[in-house]
Amino acid sequence: GAGVSQSPRYKVAKRGQDVALRCDPISGHVSLFWYQQALGQGPEFLTYFQNEAQLDKSGLPSDRFFAERPEGSVSTLKIQRTQQEDSAVYLCASSLALGLESYNEQFFGPGTRLTVL
Amino acid sequence: GENVEQHPSTLSVQEGDSAVIKCTYSDSASNYFPWYKQELGKGPQLIIDIRSNVGEKKDQRIAVTLNKTAKHFSLHITETQPEDSAVYFCAPKTGANNLFFGTGTRLTVIP
Repeated sequence: GAGVSQSPRYKVAKRGQDVALRCDPISGHVSLFWYQQALGQGPEFLTYFQNEAQLDKSGLPSDRFFAERPEGSVSTLKIQRTQQEDSAVYLCASSLALGLESYNEQFFGPGTRLTVL
Repeated sequence: GENVEQHPSTLSVQEGDSAVIKCTYSDSASNYFPWYKQELGKGPQLIIDIRSNVGEKKDQRIAVTLNKTAKHFSLHITETQPEDSAVYFCAPKTGANNLFFGTGTRLTVIP
């Protein structure tokens, strides 16, 4: 079946613009994660959803970052008033079972590369 | 949070040789130890994982060994092939929801 998809794959924004990044998880996956990957670094956790509930947003770097998953499927990560330091690849991952179950594989999408000029 | 380090940061090997990447972590509560492979322009993909009650796991040319006392685990790739060239990340996990990724190791297999 289809894996995790993300759109757009590339986004260029002028500083101060708002952007919205979309994630389509694998059908039936309960858990959804957003990660931020700076150039040459490992992914860093941003936020976690269990179905439509956002259970952990401790990794969001500022209140300019907002994520939602209103129907427990598709998720959107929104960044308001983008700044140059927001430039990174934003990765979405989904997992079949609850996040607290340590052994469940997270399946990653290809990411959205955001460049803020 | 977890403090995760990988060594080496870059590794070049001749095709057919073995490669070993080591990951050290700080949280003694970590109980799940996966390795991810990331190719250019793609998201990370799980290649092998191990749970805390097991010391070693092997899957064809790939193996992972775990030393919980010393808080490190290693990825072993034997008979390397050019398609093994990628960035490899360890991502130890506790009972928390998310993975803590290491800084990555860029492996280059020279044909």
